[in-house]
Amino acid sequence: EPEVTQTPSHQVTQMGQEVILRCVPISNHLYFYWYRQILGQKVEFLVSFYNNEISEKSEIFDDQFSVERPDGSNFTLKIRSTKLEDSAMYFCASSESVAGGPVEQFFGPGTRLTVL
Amino acid sequence: AQKVTQAQTEISVVEKEDVTLDCVYETRDTTYYLFWYKQPPSGELVFLIRRNSFDEQNEISGRYSWNFQKSTSSFNFTITASQVVDSAVYFCALSLARSNDYKLSFGAGTTVTVRA
Repeated sequence: EPEVTQTPSHQVTQMGQEVILRCVPISNHLYFYWYRQILGQKVEFLVSFYNNEISEKSEIFDDQFSVERPDGSNFTLKIRSTKLEDSAMYFCASSESVAGGPVEQFFGPGTRLTVL
Repeated sequence: AQKVTQAQTEISVVEKEDVTLDCVYETRDTTYYLFWYKQPPSGELVFLIRRNSFDEQNEISGRYSWNFQKSTSSFNFTITASQVVDSAVYFCALSLARSNDYKLSFGAGTTVTVRA
């Protein structure tokens, strides 16, 4: 069964460093998303991506964040200068393009980012 | 703006008891979709069910059932004859049917603990 994969599973970085989180969505999916979950809290939307551009972004997704689909398979989230409060689990998700509304999003296993 | 409220923070039951999880949502849109996701201790997010705002028919799928009531903006979820493997955090989520904007807005989650 196809699945969303994410690497690395755990990333430890120093405050101020850049990190790139990688995701490989399900191959025939066209909508891509990043969410984050601070430990013990709810899952929060960061950004959605469709047709090679950002569809929507939340207020969390400031200038320190960027997303890219550098090739036909990868979808990356870059944090330019990490802060302590960026420590969280980051989930990538993808969904099909289906007429009639949103369908289920399939989530990857997550990357746990720890900023020291 | 849309909002999802899960008032129950934690529920603890003994195996074979039924568990009902409450979800109340807010949106001004007339077309929207509601979801339930499960997050087991391993951390991944697993899709369970999806319902659109035009379909208030309640269904049963195995041990899962849901009760969608538009009049009270509620989308409750029941696990019948709970098992230890049902122990997880359960999230209710809302998505609007706007073009290319299918982001999920999650509730805070309800932690379900099923004791043997």
